[in-house]
Amino acid sequence: NAGVTQTPKFQVLKTGQSMTLQCAQDMNHEYMSWYRQDPGMGLRLIHYSVGAGITDQGEVPNGYNVSRSTTEDFPLRLLSAAPSQTSVYFCASSKTGGAGQPQHFGDGTRLSIL
Amino acid sequence: SQQGEEDPQALSIQEGENATMNCSYKTSINNLQWYRQNSGRGLVHLILIRSNEREKHSGRLRVTLDTSKKSSSLLITASRAADTASYFCATDGGGNKLTFGTGTQLKVEL
Repeated sequence: NAGVTQTPKFQVLKTGQSMTLQCAQDMNHEYMSWYRQDPGMGLRLIHYSVGAGITDQGEVPNGYNVSRSTTEDFPLRLLSAAPSQTSVYFCASSKTGGAGQPQHFGDGTRLSIL
Repeated sequence: SQQGEEDPQALSIQEGENATMNCSYKTSINNLQWYRQNSGRGLVHLILIRSNEREKHSGRLRVTLDTSKKSSSLLITASRAADTASYFCATDGGGNKLTFGTGTQLKVEL
Protein backbone atom coordinates (compact mmCIF):
# COMPACT_ATOMS: atom_id res chain seq x y z
CA ASN A 1 0.00 0.00 0.00
CA ALA A 2 1.15 3.53 -0.78
CA GLY A 3 -0.39 4.96 2.43
CA VAL A 4 -0.68 8.75 2.29
CA THR A 5 0.69 10.39 -0.86
CA GLN A 6 1.34 14.10 -1.13
CA THR A 7 2.17 15.98 -4.30
CA PRO A 8 4.16 17.98 -5.15
CA LYS A 9 7.11 17.44 -2.80
CA PHE A 10 8.49 20.92 -3.43
CA GLN A 11 6.93 24.10 -4.81
CA VAL A 12 7.97 27.73 -5.18
CA LEU A 13 5.25 30.31 -5.71
CA LYS A 14 5.10 34.05 -6.14
CA THR A 15 3.01 36.16 -3.81
CA GLY A 16 -0.59 36.24 -4.99
CA GLN A 17 -0.48 32.99 -6.93
CA SER A 18 -2.87 30.18 -6.12
CA MET A 19 -2.21 26.47 -6.03
CA THR A 20 -3.56 23.17 -4.80
CA LEU A 21 -1.63 20.71 -2.64
CA GLN A 22 -2.79 17.17 -3.30
CA CYS A 23 -3.29 14.45 -0.71
CA ALA A 24 -4.50 10.94 -1.40
CA GLN A 25 -4.77 7.86 0.82
CA ASP A 26 -5.51 4.27 -0.13
CA MET A 27 -6.43 2.93 3.32
CA ASN A 28 -10.16 3.81 3.19
CA HIS A 29 -9.67 6.16 6.14
CA GLU A 30 -12.57 8.40 7.09
CA TYR A 31 -10.55 11.10 8.89
CA MET A 32 -8.12 13.32 7.01
CA SER A 33 -6.34 16.47 8.07
CA TRP A 34 -3.84 19.11 6.99
CA TYR A 35 -1.07 20.57 9.17
CA ARG A 36 1.63 23.10 8.64
CA GLN A 37 4.99 22.77 10.34
CA ASP A 38 7.10 25.82 11.04
CA PRO A 39 10.46 25.90 12.88
CA GLY A 40 10.03 25.86 16.65
CA MET A 41 6.24 25.68 16.46
CA GLY A 42 5.47 22.01 15.95
CA LEU A 43 2.48 21.11 13.78
CA ARG A 44 -0.62 23.29 13.61
CA LEU A 45 -3.95 22.03 12.30
CA ILE A 46 -5.30 23.87 9.26
CA HIS A 47 -8.43 21.93 8.26
CA TYR A 48 -9.80 18.46 8.82
CA SER A 49 -12.51 16.16 7.52
CA VAL A 50 -14.37 13.33 9.24
CA GLY A 51 -15.70 11.93 5.97
CA ALA A 52 -16.60 12.70 2.38
CA GLY A 53 -18.57 15.92 2.13
CA ILE A 54 -17.66 17.09 5.64
CA THR A 55 -14.88 19.55 6.46
CA ASP A 56 -14.12 21.82 9.39
CA GLN A 57 -11.57 24.41 10.45
CA GLY A 58 -8.56 23.80 12.60
CA GLU A 59 -6.32 26.23 14.43
CA VAL A 60 -4.97 28.20 11.44
CA PRO A 61 -7.52 28.03 8.57
CA ASN A 62 -7.21 31.56 7.16
CA GLY A 63 -5.96 31.66 3.56
CA TYR A 64 -6.71 27.99 2.92
CA ASN A 65 -9.68 26.10 1.49
CA VAL A 66 -10.42 22.38 1.46
CA SER A 67 -13.03 20.06 0.01
CA ARG A 68 -13.66 16.32 0.38
CA SER A 69 -15.58 14.93 -2.54
CA THR A 70 -14.22 11.39 -2.14
CA THR A 71 -12.93 9.29 0.76
CA GLU A 72 -9.49 9.05 -0.86
CA ASP A 73 -8.66 12.68 -1.65
CA PHE A 74 -8.35 15.81 0.47
CA PRO A 75 -6.79 18.70 -1.49
CA LEU A 76 -5.65 21.92 0.19
CA ARG A 77 -6.00 25.13 -1.80
CA LEU A 78 -4.04 28.32 -1.23
CA LEU A 79 -6.22 31.10 -2.55
CA SER A 80 -3.66 33.91 -2.82
CA ALA A 81 -0.23 32.87 -1.58
CA ALA A 82 1.53 35.06 0.99
CA PRO A 83 5.13 34.82 2.31
CA SER A 84 3.68 33.88 5.74
CA GLN A 85 2.44 30.65 4.17
CA THR A 86 5.98 29.47 3.50
CA SER A 87 6.05 26.20 5.43
CA VAL A 88 6.08 22.44 5.23
CA TYR A 89 2.58 21.02 4.81
CA PHE A 90 1.61 17.56 6.01
CA CYS A 91 -1.49 15.57 5.27
CA ALA A 92 -2.60 12.80 7.62
CA SER A 93 -5.35 10.20 7.75
CA SER A 94 -6.80 7.78 10.26
CA LYS A 95 -9.64 5.35 10.74
CA THR A 96 -13.04 6.37 12.05
CA GLY A 97 -12.49 7.95 15.43
CA GLY A 98 -10.46 10.81 14.05
CA ALA A 99 -8.04 12.36 16.47
CA GLY A 100 -8.44 9.41 18.82
CA GLN A 101 -6.68 7.11 16.39
CA PRO A 102 -3.06 6.85 15.27
CA GLN A 103 -2.44 9.20 12.35
CA HIS A 104 -0.71 8.16 9.13
CA PHE A 105 1.30 11.01 7.63
CA GLY A 106 2.54 11.76 4.15
CA ASP A 107 6.09 12.97 3.60
CA GLY A 108 5.06 16.58 3.19
CA THR A 109 5.09 19.39 0.63
CA ARG A 110 7.79 22.02 1.10
CA LEU A 111 6.33 25.32 -0.06
CA SER A 112 8.18 28.60 -0.51
CA ILE A 113 6.37 31.85 -1.27
CA LEU A 114 8.53 34.59 -2.73
CA SER B 1 -2.01 27.72 20.50
CA GLN B 2 0.12 24.71 21.33
CA GLN B 3 -1.45 22.24 23.72
CA GLY B 4 1.70 20.26 24.43
CA GLU B 5 5.14 21.46 25.35
CA GLU B 6 8.04 19.03 25.18
CA ASP B 7 11.04 19.19 27.43
CA PRO B 8 13.92 19.30 26.73
CA GLN B 9 13.91 21.00 23.33
CA ALA B 10 17.08 19.13 22.43
CA LEU B 11 18.83 16.08 23.88
CA SER B 12 22.17 14.52 22.98
CA ILE B 13 23.17 11.13 24.37
CA GLN B 14 25.54 8.26 23.65
CA GLU B 15 24.40 5.05 22.01
CA GLY B 16 23.23 2.57 24.61
CA GLU B 17 22.02 5.23 27.05
CA ASN B 18 18.38 5.85 27.87
CA ALA B 19 16.57 8.93 26.57
CA THR B 20 13.71 10.56 28.45
CA MET B 21 11.57 13.35 27.10
CA ASN B 22 8.59 14.98 28.73
CA CYS B 23 5.35 16.51 27.53
CA SER B 24 3.08 18.86 29.44
CA TYR B 25 -0.37 19.90 28.30
CA LYS B 26 -3.00 22.36 29.42
CA THR B 27 -6.51 20.90 29.22
CA SER B 28 -8.16 17.54 29.84
CA ILE B 29 -7.57 14.89 27.21
CA ASN B 30 -9.04 11.66 25.85
CA ASN B 31 -5.66 10.28 24.86
CA LEU B 32 -2.07 11.28 24.22
CA GLN B 33 0.09 10.06 21.36
CA TRP B 34 3.80 10.14 20.64
CA TYR B 35 5.26 10.48 17.16
CA ARG B 36 8.75 10.36 15.65
CA GLN B 37 9.91 12.47 12.73
CA ASN B 38 13.12 11.74 10.87
CA SER B 39 14.72 14.62 9.03
CA GLY B 40 12.82 15.50 5.87
CA ARG B 41 10.09 12.91 6.44
CA GLY B 42 6.56 12.74 7.77
CA LEU B 43 5.63 11.81 11.31
CA VAL B 44 5.39 8.18 12.33
CA HIS B 45 3.07 7.06 15.11
CA LEU B 46 4.84 5.40 18.05
CA ILE B 47 2.36 4.83 20.84
CA LEU B 48 -1.07 5.93 22.10
CA ILE B 49 -2.02 6.07 25.77
CA ARG B 50 -5.58 6.68 26.88
CA SER B 51 -6.54 8.98 29.74
CA ASN B 52 -7.44 6.02 31.99
CA GLU B 53 -4.03 4.37 31.47
CA ARG B 54 -0.91 5.22 33.48
CA GLU B 55 1.81 3.34 31.61
CA LYS B 56 2.28 1.64 28.28
CA HIS B 57 5.14 -0.26 26.67
CA SER B 58 6.07 -0.96 23.07
CA GLY B 59 9.43 -2.61 22.44
CA ARG B 60 12.10 -0.22 23.78
CA LEU B 61 9.53 2.51 24.39
CA ARG B 62 7.85 3.23 27.69
CA VAL B 63 5.22 5.94 28.03
CA THR B 64 3.71 7.22 31.24
CA LEU B 65 0.76 9.52 31.72
CA ASP B 66 -0.11 11.54 34.82
CA THR B 67 -3.42 13.26 34.22
CA SER B 68 -3.33 15.00 37.61
CA LYS B 69 -0.12 16.78 36.56
CA LYS B 70 -1.16 16.99 32.90
CA SER B 71 2.11 15.44 31.83
CA SER B 72 3.52 12.46 29.97
CA SER B 73 6.98 11.05 29.46
CA LEU B 74 8.55 8.95 26.73
CA LEU B 75 11.48 6.74 27.65
CA ILE B 76 13.60 5.12 24.95
CA THR B 77 15.85 2.46 26.45
CA ALA B 78 19.21 1.40 25.03
CA SER B 79 19.21 4.13 22.39
CA ARG B 80 20.62 3.52 18.94
CA ALA B 81 21.92 5.94 16.32
CA ALA B 82 18.78 5.17 14.30
CA ASP B 83 16.69 6.72 17.10
CA THR B 84 18.07 10.14 16.12
CA ALA B 85 14.93 12.11 15.24
CA SER B 86 12.45 14.66 16.56
CA TYR B 87 9.78 13.39 18.91
CA PHE B 88 6.37 14.99 19.34
CA CYS B 89 3.51 14.48 21.72
CA ALA B 90 -0.02 15.08 20.52
CA THR B 91 -3.20 15.36 22.57
CA ASP B 92 -6.78 14.53 21.71
CA GLY B 93 -8.92 16.89 23.75
CA GLY B 94 -12.11 16.04 21.88
CA GLY B 95 -13.70 17.83 18.95
CA ASN B 96 -11.86 15.70 16.38
CA LYS B 97 -8.71 17.79 16.72
CA LEU B 98 -5.24 16.53 17.53
CA THR B 99 -2.90 19.15 18.96
CA PHE B 100 0.86 18.74 18.69
CA GLY B 101 3.62 20.01 20.89
CA THR B 102 6.81 21.70 19.76
CA GLY B 103 8.96 18.57 19.86
CA THR B 104 12.23 17.29 21.30
CA GLN B 105 15.23 16.82 18.99
CA LEU B 106 17.10 13.70 20.00
CA LYS B 107 20.62 12.99 18.79
CA VAL B 108 22.16 9.63 19.57
CA GLU B 109 25.90 9.59 19.02
CA LEU B 110 28.06 6.55 18.36
